[in-house]
Amino acid sequence: GAVVSQHPSRVICKSGTSVKIECRSLDFQATTMFWYRQFPKKSLMLMATSNEGSKATYEQGVEKDKFLINHASLTLSTLTVTSAHPEDSSFYICSATLQTTSTDTQYFGPGTRLTVL
Amino acid sequence: DQQVKQNSPSLSVQEGRISILNCDYTNSMFDYFLWYKKYPAEGPTFLISISSIKDKNEDGRFTVFLNKSAKHLSLHIVPSQPGDSAVYFCAASSLAPDNYGQNFVFGPGTRLSVLP
Repeated sequence: GAVVSQHPSRVICKSGTSVKIECRSLDFQATTMFWYRQFPKKSLMLMATSNEGSKATYEQGVEKDKFLINHASLTLSTLTVTSAHPEDSSFYICSATLQTTSTDTQYFGPGTRLTVL
Repeated sequence: DQQVKQNSPSLSVQEGRISILNCDYTNSMFDYFLWYKKYPAEGPTFLISISSIKDKNEDGRFTVFLNKSAKHLSLHIVPSQPGDSAVYFCAASSLAPDNYGQNFVFGPGTRLSVLP
């Protein structure tokens, strides 16, 4: 089946630094990828929809300048957490859409655990 | 090897009847389970969750049942409505001590069609 990878799986950084997280669709092209953030014991919160070749669409309340999303190719989207602070510590997950003429299937990455000291 | 399985890729149900979506998992370390609903061209949205200390959680028309011994959970929707037609994903997680998820794994999804 289709596979989505994320890199890195875990990252620890100092407050004020920027962190880039990659999401790759390994064996299919994804015109649309989604980025989520998980809160403790709770659901994933959709942060933004990443469209190849165009600007990301952010959900209400998500700071565009804080969470930079780039979808440079059909197999890669990146999320950059700029000037990270401890409150940005979380679990970030991406998903990629495999579209055919008859289906629209979502594949999830394994997640990236960000800890900001 | 899939850690979270949803063996029915699709399900059709008549409006007003019960929809039952099933999910099986293999990793006994999972202790928190969630269901998501996804419409075409949108990201999944959270529906309902259950922790392993419970065997049932109810929220309106949605009830999730967990059978730990069988490593099986199910989502019941009663009564089903046409607006429930979507893809449903189950996800499993083992909670880290700080209550963030670790090993967060999604199933492949089941497409539910509720017929008027």
